[in-house]
Amino acid sequence: DGGITQSPKYLFRKEGQNVTLSCEQNLNHDAMYWYRQDPGQGLRLIYYSQIVNDFQKGDIAEGYSVSREKKESFPLTVTSAQKNPTAFYLCAVGTFANYGYTFGSGTRLTVV
Amino acid sequence: DAKTTQPTSMDCAEGRAANLPCNHSTISGNEYVYWYRQIHSQGPQYIIHGLKNNETNEMASLIITEDRKSSTLILPHATLRDTAVYYCIVRVAGTSYDKVIFGPGTSLSVIP
Repeated sequence: DGGITQSPKYLFRKEGQNVTLSCEQNLNHDAMYWYRQDPGQGLRLIYYSQIVNDFQKGDIAEGYSVSREKKESFPLTVTSAQKNPTAFYLCAVGTFANYGYTFGSGTRLTVV
Repeated sequence: DAKTTQPTSMDCAEGRAANLPCNHSTISGNEYVYWYRQIHSQGPQYIIHGLKNNETNEMASLIITEDRKSSTLILPHATLRDTAVYYCIVRVAGTSYDKVIFGPGTSLSVIP
């Protein structure tokens, strides 16, 4: 995954529970992103962070929260307010200065 | 960022060239064309990018029309491992954040 680790690969959540998805990178990038992917669809941006201690909402931030306390880490919390959390979640880092984003291998979240 | 249009799906026989088209008629003069691919249940992977000249690397070739309104990604000898969703993206190269749209892409099936 080019220095990006997403964990866990599969996650099951009961309705009403919060869960946190991990994204760690050792590529020394300032910018990190969280995307959501539903079957047969493209990627939708949830949150992004361009620098430590700062982050911005993307297109579908409702029901999600993030933190950026360290350059290497950008965890995503899926809260109970997210009505349809079952999806594939992708973390990305980097910019389009060269080759664009580098993506992690993803976390598949299922609500049971 | 300019929007792109890609066919929903394509088939290609194993060993033959796969030609994936992308229309980007509203592309600006300083926007590059990037191609990514996503194998099932993995994160998207960078393939190639270009501004106006044709580009080639070990994975693929990128042909951009002279008016830059469309491009074609060529996988010269498709293998079963090339079965994936291919995304065409246009955006300015640089370090600042601009919204990047990963649409539904083209689902390429390589057939034995």
